[in-house]
Amino acid sequence: GAGVSQTPSNKVTEKGKYVELRCDPISGHTALYWYRQSLGQGPEFLIYFQGTGAADDSGLPNDRFFAVRPEGSVSTLKIQRTERGDSAVYLCASSLTGHPGTEAFFGQGTRLTVV
Amino acid sequence: ILNVEQSPQSLHVQEGDSTNFTCSFPSSNFYALHWYRWETAKSPEALFVMTLNGDEKKKGRISATLNTKEGYSYLYIKGSQPEDSATYLCAFGQAGTALIFGKGTTLSVSS
Repeated sequence: GAGVSQTPSNKVTEKGKYVELRCDPISGHTALYWYRQSLGQGPEFLIYFQGTGAADDSGLPNDRFFAVRPEGSVSTLKIQRTERGDSAVYLCASSLTGHPGTEAFFGQGTRLTVV
Repeated sequence: ILNVEQSPQSLHVQEGDSTNFTCSFPSSNFYALHWYRWETAKSPEALFVMTLNGDEKKKGRISATLNTKEGYSYLYIKGSQPEDSATYLCAFGQAGTALIFGKGTTLSVSS
């Protein structure tokens, strides 16, 4: 597609359940980022992929969060044993090279609500 | 911990007013400063990417300046229009790391 695509756009899940959020980056973009935005906050960094490998996963809040990008394109963010505090908009972005001077292109986000 | 601060948090202006916001960032290990506009129900979109101290960029009625030595950037909107209503995010980039975002300035323009 022409832009970054995230699915689903909305997800409501019960506390304790497992969820997967998907991101399709722009074709050919080597860098992929996951951010999380909670109410009243800016996007908070979670994890950054360069190709298939996680270049920086220091933003993942705990071991319930995990992300993969097995073929260097589509990425999946996985959250185990969801908690109400995980409710947020999860944003994915990609950029051509991952160089900090390169523009990042964002998807529309997945709004996760844990009830 | 890298900190990117934006002020004000929110702003309400009348159509035709000019306005500006501030982004403060660490002055060490600077590589790039990005500004994004995030409209409700849409994706954040890049306005400017600036890398050089003293950079000034302009897109229509919106412009930005950069001071890397003191660690701040200003975003200016001249003659605000209702369609400028959005959250404006700045992001700081260092080599080898992901962009670090501020909390944003939410602008509301009334007609």
